[in-house]
Amino acid sequence: QVTLRESGPALVRPTQTLTLTCTFSGFSLTTAKMCVSWIRQPPGKALEWLARIDWDDDKYYSLSLKTRLTISKDTSKNQVVLTLTNMDPVDTATYYCARVRCGSGTYYPLDSWGQGTLVTVSS
Amino acid sequence: DIQMTQSPSSLSASVGDRVTITCRASQSINNYLNWYQQKPGKAPNLLIYGASSLQSGVPSRFSGSGSGTDFSLTISSLQPEDFATYFCQQSYSTPWTFGQGTKVEI
Repeated sequence: QVTLRESGPALVRPTQTLTLTCTFSGFSLTTAKMCVSWIRQPPGKALEWLARIDWDDDKYYSLSLKTRLTISKDTSKNQVVLTLTNMDPVDTATYYCARVRCGSGTYYPLDSWGQGTLVTVSS
Repeated sequence: DIQMTQSPSSLSASVGDRVTITCRASQSINNYLNWYQQKPGKAPNLLIYGASSLQSGVPSRFSGSGSGTDFSLTISSLQPEDFATYFCQQSYSTPWTFGQGTKVEI
């Protein structure tokens, strides 16, 4: 059974750096064609894809947030970490991590999601 | 970025109705189109991947079609548990992008 769980602060001050951790089980990021993505959703709005990290450590980012985002993995802990610098109130959102089936012929679906964590940016 | 446009943004339907939601990409994405269902306060759930492949465990009343730039999600007979918001997503090229969502209401 695949499970993912996001953890991190619920409240962040403007200009601070957000660090979120995705802890997962039921799969390994050392296995070929396994990837993890981060997605966020402002209250009442659409989903926004943020970043992806692959089993081979390839990384991909949202173009609009690329200068502020970093994704990394710790395979020994089954964790993926996302950092977002210089937080602003417009970054207030529920942040999700999701497993991705990657590689040729998979169509890269986000097939398992964490429950999400709401991050509010306010002074 | 590839833009994804869903229509309608919301619709009202009754139990038993056939419902179709469309999604258009700003450029060809071949079959790299996935559909998700999201209920209030919950994470999205994968329904369809590769435009037309049904994710394991998803009821067969859900189906997807299309290729290139135009896609659709059809619910053949709407059930009470299907009232939710539906999102399309292109996975053809990063940055991946989602449609704005279609809310299916009673």
